[in-house]
Amino acid sequence: QIQLVQSGPELKKPGESVKISCKASGYTFTDYAMHWVKQAPGKGLKWMGWINTYTGKPTYADDFKGRFVFSLEASASTANLQISNLKNEDTATYFCARSKLAFDYWGQGVMVTVSS
Amino acid sequence: DVVLTQTPVSLLISLGGQASISCRSSQSLVHSNGNTYLHWYLQKPGQSPQLLIYQVSNRFSGIPDRFSGSGSGTDFTLKISRVEPEDLGVYYCLQRTHNPNTFGAGTKLELK
Repeated sequence: QIQLVQSGPELKKPGESVKISCKASGYTFTDYAMHWVKQAPGKGLKWMGWINTYTGKPTYADDFKGRFVFSLEASASTANLQISNLKNEDTATYFCARSKLAFDYWGQGVMVTVSS
Repeated sequence: DVVLTQTPVSLLISLGGQASISCRSSQSLVHSNGNTYLHWYLQKPGQSPQLLIYQVSNRFSGIPDRFSGSGSGTDFTLKISRVEPEDLGVYYCLQRTHNPNTFGAGTKLELK
């Protein structure tokens, strides 16, 4: 069955970096784009951007340009999100979701807590 | 950016009742290819969002026919009939016609 399994929760200090993974199984990884979505505690969903899993080309929403990097380990059917120079406002759950038309399957989410 | 306005913000429904959620867009969601990329999700407490309806009115695999979507242009509606306990959570609309992709702020469905 189709699954997106994300890495575990992270506790980081401001200024540190974090790398979150999203491992896909049950389908051909390069047939679907991978998107990233942020959900701050108690808030709604915000689209961060996506990565073309065939070419590796990332596209970032404006609010996520600079400190955020999408990457792939295509041989491992894994997409990664790296956030550098973490700030308190990066505290959130980060979801990966695959798509052709809609985001049809989602990972379980990774809670990243940034606190001194 | 396209703004999606969902109403109501919250909804109190009795088991077996019917719920209707509106999603209005600040601009037409008809793509230049003629398709409309407006989708609906349910996020149950502590879970990731799950796709209910894609492209306005198509139920995703395994979604019961109690869920239906309709609308066109800038006005869209999700209807849930015969509400069951597992329908509780926050409903979001998502548009993928324009970049950036944007979500509505959500509608919380609770039991009366």
